[in-house]
Amino acid sequence: AQSVTQLGSHVSVSEGALVLLRCNYSSSVPPYLFWYVQYPNQGLQLLLKYTTGATLVKGINGFEAEFKKSETSFHLTKPSAHMSDAAEYFCAVSPAGGTSYGKLTFGQGTILTVHP
Amino acid sequence: SAVISQKPSRDICQRGTSLTIQCQVDSQVTMMFWYRQQPGQSLTLIATANQGSEATYESGFVIDKFPISRPNLTFSTLTVSNMSPEDSSIYLCSVWGGGSGEQYFGPGTRLTVT
Repeated sequence: AQSVTQLGSHVSVSEGALVLLRCNYSSSVPPYLFWYVQYPNQGLQLLLKYTTGATLVKGINGFEAEFKKSETSFHLTKPSAHMSDAAEYFCAVSPAGGTSYGKLTFGQGTILTVHP
Repeated sequence: SAVISQKPSRDICQRGTSLTIQCQVDSQVTMMFWYRQQPGQSLTLIATANQGSEATYESGFVIDKFPISRPNLTFSTLTVSNMSPEDSSIYLCSVWGGGSGEQYFGPGTRLTVT
């Protein structure tokens, strides 16, 4: 079984400030971890993923996330927020194998607001 | 990567009717999934549709309500049957990229039931 918890349904930052979106997961098997972004009235876009290897992964638009197994976390960061980053962000987990391979479990989402 | 299209992109339907959503992928894929995103909510997996086998449904979803077809490796349909306003959601299909570990999503079908 797997689950995802995103801490904070709404996060507000000033333009140029650090963005930190928190994600903790629970998985009975080694996980694949993902961050997706959804702009209003648009589909899901993959920001970044962790499967194996380096635990610090870089994605599009300057975002990065670090897989910390001991903390079961996969927090998303960006050093400097831009107005265009305003969107809803979803953390997701999938088992790396087994009968549920490929099935994504999503967190509840975090709406990021960027103030000028 | 995979490019996924869905039809229709949106629809407004009356309660009691059914709507079939089509999902087309530009390459052959084994695993396809259908998700639902209710208003203001996250995504929930409805079912897995693998070619050559019956769809497998997640807890809370049943075949009579959400029948799925998967006639080949590039196409799938999801039918929302006997609709009620609670079925108003965005329905998304996705495919698993296998070794790449990525899952690609279609643009979604926005369904409103009145």
